[in-house]
Amino acid sequence: AQTVTQSQPEMSVQEAETVTLSCTYDTSESNYYLFWYKQPPSRQMILVIRQEAYKQQNATENRFSVNFQKAAKSFSLKISDSQLGDTAMYFCAFIGGINFQGAQKLVFGQGTRLTINP
Amino acid sequence: NAGVMQNPRHLVRRRGQEARLRCSPMKGHSHVYWYRQLPEEGLKFMVYLQKENIIDESGMPKERFSAEFPKEGPSILRIQQVVRGDSAAYFCASSGQGNSYEQYFGPGTRLTVT
Repeated sequence: AQTVTQSQPEMSVQEAETVTLSCTYDTSESNYYLFWYKQPPSRQMILVIRQEAYKQQNATENRFSVNFQKAAKSFSLKISDSQLGDTAMYFCAFIGGINFQGAQKLVFGQGTRLTINP
Repeated sequence: NAGVMQNPRHLVRRRGQEARLRCSPMKGHSHVYWYRQLPEEGLKFMVYLQKENIIDESGMPKERFSAEFPKEGPSILRIQQVVRGDSAAYFCASSGQGNSYEQYFGPGTRLTVT
Protein backbone atom coordinates (compact mmCIF):
# COMPACT_ATOMS: atom_id res chain seq x y z
CA ALA A 1 0.00 0.00 0.00
CA GLN A 2 1.13 3.51 -0.73
CA THR A 3 1.82 5.86 2.15
CA VAL A 4 2.63 9.56 2.31
CA THR A 5 4.39 11.10 5.30
CA GLN A 6 4.72 14.76 6.22
CA SER A 7 6.97 15.04 9.24
CA GLN A 8 6.39 18.73 9.99
CA PRO A 9 2.99 19.30 11.65
CA GLU A 10 3.52 23.06 11.82
CA MET A 11 5.84 25.68 10.38
CA SER A 12 6.03 29.42 10.71
CA VAL A 13 8.09 31.96 8.77
CA GLN A 14 8.20 35.70 8.21
CA GLU A 15 6.68 37.27 5.13
CA ALA A 16 9.07 37.31 2.12
CA GLU A 17 11.15 34.43 3.48
CA THR A 18 11.58 31.10 1.72
CA VAL A 19 10.14 27.98 3.32
CA THR A 20 10.45 24.30 2.43
CA LEU A 21 7.86 21.68 3.35
CA SER A 22 8.93 18.03 3.45
CA CYS A 23 7.17 14.97 2.13
CA THR A 24 8.23 11.36 1.73
CA TYR A 25 6.26 8.53 0.20
CA ASP A 26 6.42 4.81 -0.20
CA THR A 27 5.33 2.89 -3.27
CA SER A 28 6.31 0.03 -5.52
CA GLU A 29 4.70 1.69 -8.54
CA SER A 30 6.88 2.98 -11.33
CA ASN A 31 4.29 5.28 -12.90
CA TYR A 32 2.74 7.81 -10.56
CA TYR A 33 2.05 11.46 -9.86
CA LEU A 34 2.76 13.62 -6.84
CA PHE A 35 0.89 16.73 -5.79
CA TRP A 36 0.90 19.53 -3.29
CA TYR A 37 -2.52 20.84 -2.29
CA LYS A 38 -3.22 23.96 -0.28
CA GLN A 39 -6.19 24.16 2.09
CA PRO A 40 -6.81 27.70 3.38
CA PRO A 41 -9.29 28.42 6.19
CA SER A 42 -12.11 28.25 3.63
CA ARG A 43 -11.27 24.49 3.46
CA GLN A 44 -11.29 24.49 -0.35
CA MET A 45 -8.64 22.12 -1.71
CA ILE A 46 -6.47 24.00 -4.17
CA LEU A 47 -3.93 22.26 -6.37
CA VAL A 48 -0.59 24.04 -6.03
CA ILE A 49 1.75 21.93 -8.14
CA ARG A 50 2.01 18.52 -9.81
CA GLN A 51 4.98 16.29 -10.66
CA GLU A 52 5.00 13.30 -12.98
CA ALA A 53 7.35 10.58 -11.74
CA TYR A 54 8.76 9.91 -15.19
CA LYS A 55 9.93 13.53 -15.53
CA GLN A 56 13.33 14.27 -14.05
CA GLN A 57 12.85 18.01 -14.21
CA ASN A 58 11.39 19.54 -11.08
CA ALA A 59 8.03 21.24 -11.54
CA THR A 60 7.68 24.97 -10.90
CA GLU A 61 4.66 27.26 -10.70
CA ASN A 62 5.61 30.88 -10.11
CA ARG A 63 6.83 31.08 -6.48
CA PHE A 64 6.26 27.37 -5.90
CA SER A 65 8.76 24.70 -6.85
CA VAL A 66 9.45 21.12 -5.88
CA ASN A 67 12.55 19.08 -5.20
CA PHE A 68 11.68 15.61 -6.47
CA GLN A 69 14.16 12.90 -5.47
CA LYS A 70 12.76 9.71 -6.95
CA ALA A 71 15.33 7.32 -5.55
CA ALA A 72 14.89 8.73 -2.06
CA LYS A 73 11.10 8.93 -2.53
CA SER A 74 11.15 12.53 -1.42
CA PHE A 75 8.99 15.37 -2.72
CA SER A 76 9.50 18.71 -0.95
CA LEU A 77 7.75 21.99 -1.71
CA LYS A 78 9.61 25.28 -1.70
CA ILE A 79 7.71 28.54 -1.43
CA SER A 80 9.79 31.59 -2.32
CA ASP A 81 9.01 35.16 -1.29
CA SER A 82 6.24 33.90 1.00
CA GLN A 83 3.07 35.97 1.28
CA LEU A 84 0.41 36.28 3.95
CA GLY A 85 -2.02 34.56 1.60
CA ASP A 86 0.15 31.45 1.66
CA THR A 87 -1.02 30.76 5.21
CA ALA A 88 -2.83 27.42 4.98
CA MET A 89 -2.61 23.68 5.52
CA TYR A 90 -0.47 22.03 2.87
CA PHE A 91 -1.02 18.42 1.89
CA CYS A 92 1.29 16.21 -0.10
CA ALA A 93 -0.56 13.60 -2.17
CA PHE A 94 0.22 10.60 -4.36
CA ILE A 95 -1.65 8.81 -7.09
CA GLY A 96 -0.32 5.66 -8.69
CA GLY A 97 -1.20 2.73 -10.87
CA ILE A 98 -2.48 4.90 -13.66
CA ASN A 99 -4.11 2.80 -16.35
CA PHE A 100 -6.14 3.57 -19.43
CA GLN A 101 -9.35 3.50 -17.41
CA GLY A 102 -7.84 6.12 -15.25
CA ALA A 103 -9.03 7.05 -11.86
CA GLN A 104 -7.06 5.85 -8.94
CA LYS A 105 -7.41 7.28 -5.47
CA LEU A 106 -5.32 10.08 -4.09
CA VAL A 107 -3.36 9.21 -0.95
CA PHE A 108 -2.74 12.22 1.27
CA GLY A 109 -0.20 13.00 3.95
CA GLN A 110 -1.22 14.32 7.35
CA GLY A 111 -0.58 17.92 6.39
CA THR A 112 1.66 20.79 7.48
CA ARG A 113 0.11 23.91 8.93
CA LEU A 114 2.05 26.85 7.51
CA THR A 115 1.75 30.32 9.01
CA ILE A 116 3.23 33.36 7.32
CA ASN A 117 3.81 36.17 9.81
CA PRO A 118 3.79 39.86 8.84
CA ASN B 1 -17.16 26.07 -16.90
CA ALA B 2 -18.62 25.52 -13.47
CA GLY B 3 -16.48 23.67 -10.99
CA VAL B 4 -17.43 20.76 -8.78
CA MET B 5 -20.54 21.58 -6.79
CA GLN B 6 -21.40 20.17 -3.41
CA ASN B 7 -24.45 20.75 -1.28
CA PRO B 8 -25.23 21.39 1.37
CA ARG B 9 -22.09 23.16 2.56
CA HIS B 10 -23.03 22.56 6.17
CA LEU B 11 -25.27 19.83 7.53
CA VAL B 12 -26.28 19.24 11.11
CA ARG B 13 -27.85 15.93 12.08
CA ARG B 14 -28.82 14.36 15.36
CA ARG B 15 -27.51 10.92 16.21
CA GLY B 16 -29.54 8.26 14.44
CA GLN B 17 -30.68 10.47 11.56
CA GLU B 18 -29.68 10.08 7.93
CA ALA B 19 -27.31 12.39 6.08
CA ARG B 20 -27.36 12.85 2.29
CA LEU B 21 -24.50 14.66 0.65
CA ARG B 22 -24.67 15.67 -3.01
CA CYS B 23 -21.96 16.22 -5.57
CA SER B 24 -22.27 17.48 -9.13
CA PRO B 25 -19.04 16.87 -11.05
CA MET B 26 -17.42 19.35 -13.34
CA LYS B 27 -19.08 19.49 -16.76
CA GLY B 28 -17.80 16.68 -18.96
CA HIS B 29 -16.40 14.67 -16.06
CA SER B 30 -17.62 11.14 -15.56
CA HIS B 31 -15.51 10.05 -12.59
CA VAL B 32 -16.43 10.99 -9.03
CA TYR B 33 -14.48 10.40 -5.85
CA TRP B 34 -15.49 10.92 -2.24
CA TYR B 35 -12.98 11.71 0.49
CA ARG B 36 -13.43 12.28 4.21
CA GLN B 37 -11.39 14.65 6.34
CA LEU B 38 -11.52 14.24 10.09
CA PRO B 39 -10.43 17.24 12.19
CA GLU B 40 -6.70 17.94 11.96
CA GLU B 41 -6.13 15.09 9.51
CA GLY B 42 -5.54 14.64 5.80
CA LEU B 43 -8.19 13.50 3.38
CA LYS B 44 -8.95 9.79 3.23
CA PHE B 45 -10.36 8.10 0.15
CA MET B 46 -13.79 6.55 0.53
CA VAL B 47 -15.22 5.58 -2.85
CA TYR B 48 -14.74 6.03 -6.58
CA LEU B 49 -17.69 5.92 -8.95
CA GLN B 50 -18.44 6.24 -12.61
CA LYS B 51 -21.94 6.69 -13.98
CA GLU B 52 -24.11 3.90 -12.52
CA ASN B 53 -21.06 1.95 -11.31
CA ILE B 54 -19.04 1.73 -8.12
CA ILE B 55 -15.46 1.12 -9.18
CA ASP B 56 -13.63 1.14 -5.85
CA GLU B 57 -15.24 1.34 -2.42
CA SER B 58 -12.26 0.09 -0.46
CA GLY B 59 -12.28 3.15 1.82
CA MET B 60 -15.95 3.05 2.63
CA PRO B 61 -17.07 1.79 6.06
CA LYS B 62 -18.89 -1.50 5.63
CA GLU B 63 -22.02 -0.40 7.45
CA ARG B 64 -24.27 2.66 7.25
CA PHE B 65 -22.42 4.25 4.32
CA SER B 66 -23.44 4.01 0.67
CA ALA B 67 -22.78 5.95 -2.51
CA GLU B 68 -24.32 6.19 -5.93
CA PHE B 69 -23.81 8.08 -9.15
CA PRO B 70 -26.97 7.67 -11.24
CA LYS B 71 -27.21 8.14 -14.97
CA GLU B 72 -28.95 11.44 -14.39
CA GLY B 73 -28.32 13.75 -11.46
CA PRO B 74 -25.62 14.21 -8.88
CA SER B 75 -23.62 11.65 -6.97
CA ILE B 76 -25.02 10.97 -3.51
CA LEU B 77 -23.12 9.89 -0.40
CA ARG B 78 -25.58 8.55 2.13
CA ILE B 79 -24.88 7.95 5.79
CA GLN B 80 -27.57 6.15 7.74
CA GLN B 81 -28.00 6.34 11.53
CA VAL B 82 -25.24 8.89 11.95
CA VAL B 83 -22.99 8.81 15.02
CA ARG B 84 -20.77 11.52 16.50
CA GLY B 85 -17.71 9.93 14.87
CA ASP B 86 -19.19 10.70 11.44
CA SER B 87 -18.65 14.41 12.06
CA ALA B 88 -16.15 15.45 9.41
CA ALA B 89 -15.71 17.34 6.17
CA TYR B 90 -16.69 15.30 3.13
CA PHE B 91 -15.10 16.27 -0.16
CA CYS B 92 -16.09 15.26 -3.63
CA ALA B 93 -13.69 15.38 -6.57
CA SER B 94 -14.19 14.69 -10.25
CA SER B 95 -12.00 13.87 -13.22
CA GLY B 96 -12.45 13.31 -16.91
CA GLN B 97 -11.86 10.15 -18.90
CA GLY B 98 -8.15 9.61 -19.37
CA ASN B 99 -7.20 12.32 -16.89
CA SER B 100 -7.64 10.48 -13.66
CA TYR B 101 -4.68 12.14 -12.08
CA GLU B 102 -6.32 15.54 -12.41
CA GLN B 103 -8.94 15.52 -9.72
CA TYR B 104 -10.80 18.75 -9.09
CA PHE B 105 -12.29 19.22 -5.67
CA GLY B 106 -15.56 20.69 -4.55
CA PRO B 107 -15.82 23.00 -1.53
CA GLY B 108 -16.79 20.15 0.78
CA THR B 109 -19.73 19.45 3.08
CA ARG B 110 -19.13 19.84 6.79
CA LEU B 111 -21.26 17.32 8.66
CA THR B 112 -21.85 17.87 12.35
CA VAL B 113 -23.59 15.19 14.37
CA THR B 114 -25.06 16.37 17.66
